[in-house]
Order: sequence, then structure tokens, then C-alpha cells
Amino acid sequence: EVHLVESGGGLVQPGGSLRLSCAASAFTFNTYWMTWVRQAPGKGLEWVANINHDGSEKYYVDSVKGRFTISRDNAKNSLYVQMNSLRAEDTAVYYCAREGRYHGSGTTWYHFDYWGQGTLVTVSS
Amino acid sequence: SVLTQPPSVSGAPGQTVTISCTGNSANIGAGYDVHWYRQLPGAAPKLLIYGNNNRPSGVPDRFSGSKSDTSASLAITGLQAEDEADYYCQSYDISLSGPHIFGTGTKVTVL
Repeated sequence: EVHLVESGGGLVQPGGSLRLSCAASAFTFNTYWMTWVRQAPGKGLEWVANINHDGSEKYYVDSVKGRFTISRDNAKNSLYVQMNSLRAEDTAVYYCAREGRYHGSGTTWYHFDYWGQGTLVTVSS
Repeated sequence: SVLTQPPSVSGAPGQTVTISCTGNSANIGAGYDVHWYRQLPGAAPKLLIYGNNNRPSGVPDRFSGSKSDTSASLAITGLQAEDEADYYCQSYDISLSGPHIFGTGTKVTVL
């Protein structure tokens, strides 16, 4: 069974940094796009960033561009996000998710087929 | 979010509820597929429907999806108590810097 386990969350002061990790198992990690999604307390889901199978392509939501960096280590089956210059509005549960793929209408589509349990990041003084 | 869902819908056990997901020409209307997720209280989201109307293995056929023009819908038939959860649609958007967008979310209450 595919398993994703996030770690690294905690309390950090505004302007501080934190690095989240996601350990993956039971699938061929180096063939999948991976994603980070966050959910502020009592709010909806927000896609944050994703990375392709070998780390050569990365995309970010505008609100974290220049502050967050997504990366992966395929040898360790691990996904990371380095979060700098943290703000109160970054407070959320952060989930890592696998981007499952399927083919339709001549295109490859992606959806989030497996999720971790999430790790809470609290930005507060 | 550029995908709009009703904040809440409710129904009695056994009834059918429908959740809408309204986008525009930069996302659903551009022909991009829509996926749906269910999030039980205190849990991580789980994939419910992918590719507009496909159910992953293990998802009962009480759940069905559809898409038309700039919107999509999720229908839950034979509503059960355990269906009480938050539901999110997800698609892609060509006007944003990143590929993925979520809907605003809908809370389903079983009366």
C-alpha cells in the first residue's frame, strides 16, 4: 500500500524557516510528480507546489514564490519543501500527495491519488 | 479560488445531493478534467472521482461525477451518515503560475 508520511512541522516565528519532509514508500517514487497542498485552520485546500519525477520542473502558487523551495531526493524516496520568510498566513496543515496519472483525450492528466496524514506548521510570535 | 462550490448542502439518509463546481474558460471551460476529493473530519483528503466521472477502486457507485461547459458536479445517491464530510473539486488553470487549483469546498450534512 502506498504510504506518505510528513514530518518537520512545528511552531516558528514570523520571518523564520522550516523544512518539511515527506517519506514515500511502496511505489516507484522516481517516476511520479509529487505535490504539497496546505490547509489553513478551518479553511479549504490550497495547492502549494509540485515537482516532476527528476526535479527538473517545479511550480509554485504565487503566494509562496521566492520563499518556498520544493525538492526531492529519489535515492531516499523523499520529498521536501524549504519554507523561508514564513508569515502568519502560512499557518496550515501541510500535506504531501502523489500525482497519479491517467490518459484521456490524447493528454496525460494528473490527480492526487495518495495523501499523507499532514504536518502542522504554526507561524506565530 | 477560481472554482466556486456551495458552502454547504444537506440531505436526509437515502436522498441524493449534488455539489456544483463552477469555473471559467481558463480552467474547466478550457477542457481540463475535474477531480473530486472527500475529507472526513480530522483526516486527510481522499480521491473520490478522477477524470470527471471515474471512480478509483473501492469508491462505491453511489458517487458519480459529470462535467459540462465551465462547471462540474458531484452527485451522492443513497446518502449515508458516513458521507458527512467536506468535498472539494480540483482542476487545472492556464491563467495561473501553477497548474492545480481547488474548489472552495462544500460541507455535506446528513440530516
